[in-house]
Amino acid sequence: DAGVIQSPRHEVTEMGQEVTLRCKPISGHDYLFWYRQTMMRGLELLIYFNNNVPIDDSGMPEDRFSAKMPNASFSTLKIQPSEPRDSAVYFCASSFRGSLNTEAFFGQGTRLTVV
Amino acid sequence: AQSVTQPDIHITVSEGASLELRCNYSYGATPYLFWYVQSPGQGLQLLLKYFSGDTLVQGIKGFEAEFKRSQSSFNLRKPSVHWSDAAEYFCAVAPYSSASKIIFGSGTRLSIRP
Repeated sequence: DAGVIQSPRHEVTEMGQEVTLRCKPISGHDYLFWYRQTMMRGLELLIYFNNNVPIDDSGMPEDRFSAKMPNASFSTLKIQPSEPRDSAVYFCASSFRGSLNTEAFFGQGTRLTVV
Repeated sequence: AQSVTQPDIHITVSEGASLELRCNYSYGATPYLFWYVQSPGQGLQLLLKYFSGDTLVQGIKGFEAEFKRSQSSFNLRKPSVHWSDAAEYFCAVAPYSSASKIIFGSGTRLSIRP
């Protein structure tokens, strides 16, 4: 398996524009997570899905952020409208709860810069 | 709510010296515990994990960690560091009742002195 795949790797956008980050989890994994990493706040869990259903979105900073998982192999994180304070590295991760192994596998991240 | 504390923001050790990175967690029960490493510009890679059983856990790249229930700690150790170990290290916990929700500490940046 190629691992968790995120696209794009880098995104630069202007304030007010819509940004969509994409994630393809590892095949067979039933959990998907979106994290945001900044110098000030470290790694924050934004939202996670189980079997494509959002379970906990309490980490989503505000209504400008939304996430979807239309099927088991694809998820998006959308920011509309984007603001400079959204600049961060966004990580997607997936895991399989079929056993006691709850290790999360991370993608390479998307570095978002909002100017 | 559960939390993870990594008290050391930045540590510098000499190549070949031993290393210990501290991690304390706050949770009523024994959670799942993890150590991840992040190299610059990369995602996070799992070094080791603890679920139950032997409290001394061996991981990849020569790392080990010891779970101490009485101290609510899960410190990471390596007997002799290599220059390639320079990276950011994150301790993480997942509560027993919801092992899927992993919470990360703030990280410790490790620098290696030649």
